[in-house]
Amino acid sequence: DAGVIQSPRHEVTEMGQEVTLRCKPISGHDYLFWYRQTMMRGLELLIYFNNNVPIDDSGMPEDRFSAKMPNASFSTLKIQPSEPRDSAVYFCASSLRGQETQYFGPGTRLLVL
Amino acid sequence: AQSVTQLGSHVSVSEGALVLLRCNYSSSVPPYLFWYVQYPNQGLQLLLKYTSAATLVKGINGFEAEFKKSETSFHLTKPSAHMSDAAEYFCAVIRSYGNNRLAFGKGNQVVVIP
Repeated sequence: DAGVIQSPRHEVTEMGQEVTLRCKPISGHDYLFWYRQTMMRGLELLIYFNNNVPIDDSGMPEDRFSAKMPNASFSTLKIQPSEPRDSAVYFCASSLRGQETQYFGPGTRLLVL
Repeated sequence: AQSVTQLGSHVSVSEGALVLLRCNYSSSVPPYLFWYVQYPNQGLQLLLKYTSAATLVKGINGFEAEFKKSETSFHLTKPSAHMSDAAEYFCAVIRSYGNNRLAFGKGNQVVVIP
């Protein structure tokens, strides 16, 4: 199995630009999670989906952030417009059933200048 | 709501010595507990998990953890540290029964001294 795939691995952009992060979960997994990791705040859950439907988006920082899951094999996290404080590592994870092990992707390291 | 506490952000251990990372959880119902490891510039990898079966849980790379309900603890141990154990370790708990939110502790950065 290829594991959870994220792209791009690194992204450098300027403040105000739109950023789109992509995730392909493990085939057959029905839960998908988006996390953000920073030194100050640690690992934070942003949003998670079950069967492509957003279940809990209470961790999404503000309206500039949006996430979609158009099908079982693809999800995006979009930031528009981006700000320097959005700089972080963004992880996608998937699991088979909600309380089972979450498998993490390698992350996207985002730097907003 | 459930949360976990990990004390001491940085832990130094000599090669060959015992590795002990402490995790305490707050819970009003039996929790699901996890330990994850993160190597530099990589995603998180599951070390082990407790899901109300055996209280002593064995994981990968020689790690194990014991669930102690009376102490609300789930400490991670390894008898003999190896240089390759240098990484960040996170304890995590499913937030509340029937909810799928995984709450992470602050993490322990483990440094192995030759």
